[in-house]
Amino acid sequence: DQQVKQNSPSLSVQEGRISILNCDYTNSMFDYFLWYKKYPAEGPTFLISISSIKDKNEDGRFTVFLNKSAKHLSLHIVPSQPGDSAVYFCAANNHNDMRFGAGTRLTVKP
Amino acid sequence: ETGVTQSPTHLIKTRGQQVTLRCSSQSGHNTVSWYQQALGQGPQFIFQYYREEENGRGNFPPRFSGLQFPNYSSELNVNALELDDSALYLCASSFDINEQFFGPGTRLTVL
Repeated sequence: DQQVKQNSPSLSVQEGRISILNCDYTNSMFDYFLWYKKYPAEGPTFLISISSIKDKNEDGRFTVFLNKSAKHLSLHIVPSQPGDSAVYFCAANNHNDMRFGAGTRLTVKP
Repeated sequence: ETGVTQSPTHLIKTRGQQVTLRCSSQSGHNTVSWYQQALGQGPQFIFQYYREEENGRGNFPPRFSGLQFPNYSSELNVNALELDDSALYLCASSFDINEQFFGPGTRLTVL
């Protein structure tokens, strides 16, 4: 059962523009959400997270937005840089059960 | 500070065999989680160990088992390998479940 979905397998943006990656979930018991970035031949790297009691968390160029009523979260990267090109996974946690989406491949073109 | 390491990097086995994958957690982390990532999919939670006890399990059969040692390193054992077990196996350590640090993974191929 896909409790966390990333419906866009890929996204391409121009350097300097905003990248918006989306994620939807079905389980209202999830109380913590995370974004990971993965480069080839490496494990996922933690990027940013948000608790279910918040609707926004910002860290430099990265901002995560959470809309609990819509069971939707998004990651905004602005400005996008070529080094941001990677696969991005969203994840949702309910106690000790972490569920991941299938990932979105972001390509930032110079 | 040493990050999460996994061994081996790659492994080829045949159907019916058994395999053991190893993970050394990051210094100061007492929790280890294992994930299976099939091609084109996100990581799927297998199980988690906290202070040497299993602390949560995903939807994987009993032939997937694990151990955590007093130094918080961990093993994932898979018995009676099947072709569909071919995947990247990721280990993640944490002190706080919500912020896990992943190793580079072990690529298992079952022929």
